[in-house]
Amino acid sequence: GNSVTQMEGPVTLSEEAFLTINCTYTATGYPSLFWYVQYPGEGLQLLLKATKADDKGSNKGFEATYRKETTSFHLEKGSVQVSDSAVYFCALTPPSGAGSYQLTFGKGTKLSVIP
Amino acid sequence: KAGVTQTPRYLIKTRGQQVTLSCSPISGHRSVSWYQQTPGQGLQFLFEYFSETQRNKGNFPGRFSGRQFSNSRSEMNVSTLELGDSALYLCASSLAPGGQETQYFGPGTRLLVL
Repeated sequence: GNSVTQMEGPVTLSEEAFLTINCTYTATGYPSLFWYVQYPGEGLQLLLKATKADDKGSNKGFEATYRKETTSFHLEKGSVQVSDSAVYFCALTPPSGAGSYQLTFGKGTKLSVIP
Repeated sequence: KAGVTQTPRYLIKTRGQQVTLSCSPISGHRSVSWYQQTPGQGLQFLFEYFSETQRNKGNFPGRFSGRQFSNSRSEMNVSTLELGDSALYLCASSLAPGGQETQYFGPGTRLLVL
């Protein structure tokens, strides 16, 4: 079955530090890949997505590149802010035609950014 | 455009009771999915609905059920509540089923079972 593995947290960084959160996946074919973010007490917000190999998703300074050869979708940001403190989830959906389009999530990585 | 709305936002029930949660998707979205989030199990898929039909169901007992109405609004029901059902229940909507469709989440309903 499909699975997503992301680095365990928590991750604590100083403001303006570089962020990398690793994510690898197991799936058949070419799934779509997503990063969602969850702020305390809230639901999930889509951060970025990529639907085919070598696509780069980007939003709010965050980037992730769909690497089919390494089955990875690592999240990066060049300079984090205190407001980026949240839990980040890597997720996938199977390719169209698979029949089921449920999101499969990683366990989440809690990021804390200190001033 | 309004986002996904879920009601109620918070709920306290006792073991053995039943509960109904509601989800209104983004206008024009016809696909609705439900997920359960707990600290121990993380985010787990419950159901997926499209055009009033359940397309898929996750690995949950029959106490968990749902439905979708003609206006795409969806409800989920949990009967005979157990302590382990305490969780954040998230609803997500998308235009239609499809691997490349983005699912947009509501704020969730936090259920506490005592």
